[in-house]
Amino acid sequence: NAGVTQTPKFQVLKTGQSMTLQCAQDMNHNSMYWYRQDPGMGLRLIYYSASEGTTDKGEVPNGYNVSRLNKREFSLRLESAAPSQTSVYFCASSEAPGGLLPRDTQYFGPGTRLTVL
Amino acid sequence: AQKITQTQPGMFVQEKEAVTLDCTYDTSDQSYGLFWYKQPSSGEMIFLIYQGSYDEQNATEGRYSLNFQKARKSANLVISASQLGDSAMYFCAMRENDYKLSFGAGTTVTVRA
Repeated sequence: NAGVTQTPKFQVLKTGQSMTLQCAQDMNHNSMYWYRQDPGMGLRLIYYSASEGTTDKGEVPNGYNVSRLNKREFSLRLESAAPSQTSVYFCASSEAPGGLLPRDTQYFGPGTRLTVL
Repeated sequence: AQKITQTQPGMFVQEKEAVTLDCTYDTSDQSYGLFWYKQPSSGEMIFLIYQGSYDEQNATEGRYSLNFQKARKSANLVISASQLGDSAMYFCAMRENDYKLSFGAGTTVTVRA
């Protein structure tokens, strides 16, 4: 089991460019998440997908879009990158059994380090 | 208001000694979960231990234990017999009846030989 995989590992963009971060999990999890981590801060939720076919905004969704392509894959798109989006991006997944959210452990991918110039 | 507070930005510990990392939380929910994650310098987030709000016993996982004091809203992580490989950033996180994990700012632990 690879767990949660993310591509690319590193990316440098110019302001205004677009790109898609890819995430896949092989744990047959229902829920998937995108977080960003900025220096000196914990992770903040950008978007999540509670189940295949659904997506919802998290704390900091502005400037991003997501697609839950199938149960395994969840992508994050930056349509017009800005320097404020320089960050480390983590994808996570969890089983998310219904009604038991507080007990549901999220497992993280290795992260994508994105720099926007 | 901050849901998770970690007041120790950095800590040093001697190899083979124990270290306690503080975490306090804020919630009005009765059902919630508390998690600790480790982030080594390589950057990945590694799940360490979980404590449920209704769990009567403190959680333990190998050298990791969680000192859960519900009335004080604290969930401190204890690492026993520290090893050089324990040097990392440690994050406390909370999940309420929601899809989001709320993270603290983290504590950096440096283990000295």
